[in-house]
Amino acid sequence: AQKITQTQPGMFVQEKEAVTLDCTYDTSDQSYGLFWYKQPSSGEMIFLIYQGSYDEQNATEGRYSLNFQKARKSTNLVISASQLGDSAMYFCAMRETHSTGNQFYFGTGTSLTVIP
Amino acid sequence: DTGVSQNPRHKITKRGQNVTFRCDPISEHNRLYWYRQTLGQGPEFLTYFQNEAQLEKSRLLSDRFSAERPKGSFSTLEIQRTEQGDSAMYLCASSRRNRGYGYTFGSGTRLTVV
Repeated sequence: AQKITQTQPGMFVQEKEAVTLDCTYDTSDQSYGLFWYKQPSSGEMIFLIYQGSYDEQNATEGRYSLNFQKARKSTNLVISASQLGDSAMYFCAMRETHSTGNQFYFGTGTSLTVIP
Repeated sequence: DTGVSQNPRHKITKRGQNVTFRCDPISEHNRLYWYRQTLGQGPEFLTYFQNEAQLEKSRLLSDRFSAERPKGSFSTLEIQRTEQGDSAMYLCASSRRNRGYGYTFGSGTRLTVV
């Protein structure tokens, strides 16, 4: 079974609008971390935001916020006030604290295009 | 903090040749990871070092692949007898033992096997 599922291969958003990128995960661990990365065409993976499984508040980092629904095992990324520079691939990732050591599991990504 | 540096950025090689990639992590990071990313996919874990010790290896890391991290600083990833299926982006990342923070990735080495 896939550990991380991103069901939106591609998304379009108008500049200055908000967009939600979906991510669901699968784990039997009680303790885990959820991450979002941005990958521009240059290839570098840029860390955006983190949510711990025990965190009660949804994480926020500037224009990025997470809609974390633990019971549904989903952690959707919300980008507010989209900018042209937000056009990139976005990857959701998970690290299980106990089961699988230190590796991250990544989804297949969502390609976001911001339209002027 | 100069970031994670990977060299070369691009490598084109003929099938059957050996290639070696280098990763220089952030200096105070004791953990180093290698991932492989093929077109249209997310990165897949290959191996992990804590200091100089290689603590985890993925089943993706066949016998043709070997990684080292002598002295716990830079790391090298060697692929022997390259195959066309090895064509991918090879990403290196490093981290401290610090709860809640993701890796810092390098820009990757894009390997093309012709």
